[in-house]
Amino acid sequence: EAGVTQFPSHSVIEKGQTVTLRCDPISGHDNLYWYRRVMGKEIKFLLHFVKESKQDESGMPNNRFLAERTGGTYSTLKVQPAELEDSGVYFCASSPYYEQYFGPGTRLTVT
Amino acid sequence: AQSVTQLGSHVSVSEGALVLLRCNYSSSVPPYLFWYVQYPNQGLQLLLKYTTGATLVKGINGFEAEFKKSETSFHLTKPSAHMSDAAEYFCAVSAPNTGGFKTIFGAGTRLFVKA
Repeated sequence: EAGVTQFPSHSVIEKGQTVTLRCDPISGHDNLYWYRRVMGKEIKFLLHFVKESKQDESGMPNNRFLAERTGGTYSTLKVQPAELEDSGVYFCASSPYYEQYFGPGTRLTVT
Repeated sequence: AQSVTQLGSHVSVSEGALVLLRCNYSSSVPPYLFWYVQYPNQGLQLLLKYTTGATLVKGINGFEAEFKKSETSFHLTKPSAHMSDAAEYFCAVSAPNTGGFKTIFGAGTRLFVKA
């Protein structure tokens, strides 16, 4: 069974540009989560989808971040425009219930 | 609300020595507790979890952790460290929240293993 995949693995962009991160969950997992780790700090929750619906987006930092989950399958996280403080590792996880399976993360560097 | 505190951002042990990584949690409801490991340039891998039942849980690679409700602790141990255990370890707590399980992570503890 394929695990959670994320694309790209690394992205380097300039301040003000737009970046879109993609997450493909494990097939059949209704729950999809996004997390972020900035500058060696805690891994922080961003948002949670159940199928295609946003269940909890309390962790989204501001309106420059937009997450979507098309048809309850893969999810995208767009940052527009990117700022320096957005640099970090973005993790996606999927879950059938409480145990979450994490992807390898996307390392985003904003210069 | 839930929170996690990991004591020590860096821990160094000699190969063959006991590994002890400390984790204390706070939760207003019975928590689910996890330890994850992140090796360099890799994603988060689940080491072990506690949900209900036996308070001593065993995980992969010889690690185990004991849930102590009275101490609100979930410390991670391994009797004998191996060089391959060098990595960053995260304690996490999860509880039902708005239809899902939001996971709260500790700040992480980087484990160094000396030859």
